[in-house]
Parts: sequence; C-alpha cells; structure tokens
Amino acid sequence: DAGVIQSPRHEVTEMGQEVTLRCKPISGHNSLFWYRQTMMRGLELLIYFNNNVPIDDSGMPEDRFSAKMPNASFSTLKIQPSEPRDSAVYFCASTPIGKNLNTEAFFGQGTRLTVV
Amino acid sequence: KNEVEQSPQNLTAQEGEFITINCSYSVGISALHWLQQHPGGGIVSLFMLSSGKKKHGRLIATINIQEKHSSLHITASHPRDSAVYICAATLDQGNLIFGKGTKLSVKP
Repeated sequence: DAGVIQSPRHEVTEMGQEVTLRCKPISGHNSLFWYRQTMMRGLELLIYFNNNVPIDDSGMPEDRFSAKMPNASFSTLKIQPSEPRDSAVYFCASTPIGKNLNTEAFFGQGTRLTVV
Repeated sequence: KNEVEQSPQNLTAQEGEFITINCSYSVGISALHWLQQHPGGGIVSLFMLSSGKKKHGRLIATINIQEKHSSLHITASHPRDSAVYICAATLDQGNLIFGKGTKLSVKP
C-alpha cells in the first residue's frame, strides 16, 4: 500500500478563495483524522471519521471549515472563504480500527497551505 | 497550562549519546503515542502504549501510569535521528491532544 496520500502537497491561495484538501486513507482503515499544525499551537485534531461518519468535529475552528468523507477511500477538508490565519500544514491520518489513536496511526505527508 | 507537556523543547546531542525526551500529562488517558516528524514534515507513529515499555531498534518508550509520565529514549544516537518528537495522548473521554514537540538535533 502507498500509505495515506494527501493532495496537494503545497497550496498557495489568495484570501477569500475556497481551498480543498484531499486525503486517501490506507485501504481497509476505517478511521480517518484531519489535523492542523502551526508553530503557535502545534498539532491539533480538527475532525475524525469512523466508517465514513463524522464522529467528533469539535476541533474544527469555525464554520468556514467543513470536511466530508463520501466513501471509505476519500475525504476532503474545505475552507471557504480562506483567511491568512488558516496558513498551516494540514495532516490526514488513518487507523485500522477504533476511534482516535488507540491503535497505530499512519499519517500522510501533509498539505502546506499558505493563504496570502 | 497544556494537558500534555514535553521537555526539553530543544535538544542538541553528539552522535552516540543516549537521549531522553520526557512527556507528562495531567489528565486520565487511555493511550499515549510517540510520533516523529522529520524536516520536510512527514509524521511517523513510533509507539503507542498504555503501560510498561516498548522497544523498537534503538528506540525505547516507557510509561508510568501512576506518575502520568512517559519517556522516549534513543540509544547510540545518530544524525539521522534529528527530527521533532511529539507526544500525543488519547484522553479517557476520547479526545486526542498533542505536546508541543521536542526538536532533536544530533551532531556528527
């Protein structure tokens, strides 16, 4: 398996534009997580899905952020409209069973988002 | 005060030295994870443990549930071990929180 695949690796966009980040989890994993990493706040859990269903989105910063998982092999994190303070590295991770990280987690390479 | 605290924040070592990174948490947890993030950003899960000790190659992770403390040890450190090491805790409520990370630099 190629591991967790995120795209794009880098995204530069203007303030106000819509940004969509994509994640393909490892085949067979049924939990998927979106994280954001900034220098100020470190790594933060945004949302996680179990069997394609959003379980906990309390980490999503505000209504401008939304995440979907239409099937077991694909998830998106959308920011609309984007703001400069959204600039961060966004990671996706998947695990084979259970919620959160009670099992080993496999991370994607991340998407570095810059909003100018 | 963060619920997961790591120390030190930065660590520089000479190749071959024994390294210890510490993680303390202030709430009940169901599991604790050590993650490694290399320059370039990729994150790798090193260990997940809820008691005792785990070893993988030159890496050892321990946890003391009573003291709410975990350590990551690297024996015979090497420049390729240079990375940010992140402690993450799964809380009893099911939430996940991260330490701020320890930036390790191993000099040849």
